[in-house]
Amino acid sequence: SQKIEQNSEALNIQEGKTATLTCNYTNYSPAYLQWYRQDPGRGPVFLLLIRENEKEKRKERLKVTFDTTLKQSLFHITASQPADSATYLCALVNYKLSFGAGTTVTVRA
Amino acid sequence: NAGVTQTPKFQVLKTGQSMTLQCAQDMNHNSMYWYRQDPGMGLRLIYYSASEGTTDKGEVPNGYNVSRLNKREFSLRLESAAPSQTSVYFCASSPGESGELFFGEGSRLTVL
Repeated sequence: SQKIEQNSEALNIQEGKTATLTCNYTNYSPAYLQWYRQDPGRGPVFLLLIRENEKEKRKERLKVTFDTTLKQSLFHITASQPADSATYLCALVNYKLSFGAGTTVTVRA
Repeated sequence: NAGVTQTPKFQVLKTGQSMTLQCAQDMNHNSMYWYRQDPGMGLRLIYYSASEGTTDKGEVPNGYNVSRLNKREFSLRLESAAPSQTSVYFCASSPGESGELFFGEGSRLTVL
């Protein structure tokens, strides 16, 4: 069966450090992968999209990698800030979007 | 700049009652979606509409019906609510079937 797995544990990091989140998938051949941010009580907000033929994508302090051989995407938040505290969701596009359960990140000042 | 608007934001129902969740988008998007979000399970697709006049089942359609009333509006109906339908429901829209999703703020439904 198709499965999308993100870091099962919450991530607690010190301000200024890099947070690295993992998204692994099985039995998918996604055309591309997206990352979203979700704050408590709010809807998810789109952050980045990376296509299957792209190895890496950057946006400000965010970096995403996509390895179709390993069936894995890594999401990095560099120079993290308390305002980065949120839940981050990965989503795979096959013929429609399927989401992972998310990883909650807490950045300590 | 409304984006995707969902109503109601909160609702409490008794088992067996019916209700409709409303969703409207003002971005002229073709595709609209209904997801439910439960703790530890992520977002699961209930129904989607790739374009006006079409609807398709997602991962968890049982117990729900949808109507794509026009390009702007996509409603989700629970005909006979069950406690298992207690969840947070999100409506989303997208310019294309596989593009970036724009989400509403969610509708929190409790079925007693």
